[in-house]
Amino acid sequence: QQPVQSPQAVILREGEDAVINCSSSKALYSVHWYRQKHGEAPVFLMILLKGGEQKGHDKISASFNEKKQQSSLYLTASQLSYSGTYFCGTYTQGGSEKLVFGKGTKLTVNP
Amino acid sequence: KAGVTQTPRYLIKTRGQQVTLSCSPISGHRSVSWYQQTPGQGLQFLFEYFSETQRNKGNFPGRFSGRQFSNSRSEMNVSTLELGDSALYLCASSIGGSGRIGEQFFGPGTRLTVL
Repeated sequence: QQPVQSPQAVILREGEDAVINCSSSKALYSVHWYRQKHGEAPVFLMILLKGGEQKGHDKISASFNEKKQQSSLYLTASQLSYSGTYFCGTYTQGGSEKLVFGKGTKLTVNP
Repeated sequence: KAGVTQTPRYLIKTRGQQVTLSCSPISGHRSVSWYQQTPGQGLQFLFEYFSETQRNKGNFPGRFSGRQFSNSRSEMNVSTLELGDSALYLCASSIGGSGRIGEQFFGPGTRLTVL
């Protein structure tokens, strides 16, 4: 039931783009994205809901393919501050209301 | 607005002991969720409390328990500690309602080390 994230890690130079993927074997109700910097608490980035609604930060973009039960987080023109571990969390349809997180994608942005 | 606070921030215990961790949510938030974070397993859901009632529970043994008070503050207790319980324990608060559509605000966590 745990969503699978890919890649596990990615290294970028400032200004480059990255895509982080999250996929589930179960039908999803919503996908939640969080970023955690080293030694800090996870911070909310975005929620994508079944049906197309999105809530989150203007500078972050993401997609949710309901047919494939996949979500992608798009990080464009990356900045040093984007470094951290990105987690996707999912709520499944018809399941109990537990937010199940993937194992994370570690993003490093170098100057 | 003050964020989510957790106490203590660090804790060292020995096997067999028990421990209580505390979480104070953001004012006005009625839901508190607890997570265990380890390098190997990532973030794993422990349980969620809403209006003093456990609303959801993860797949952890009965040694892990929690409660929520009328002011929404929450505690979690781990009895008979094992080495594998060493982890960062995070609590997160949200306004309430359905967690499926709401963002969670995480506290800084309590780092528990079991020797």
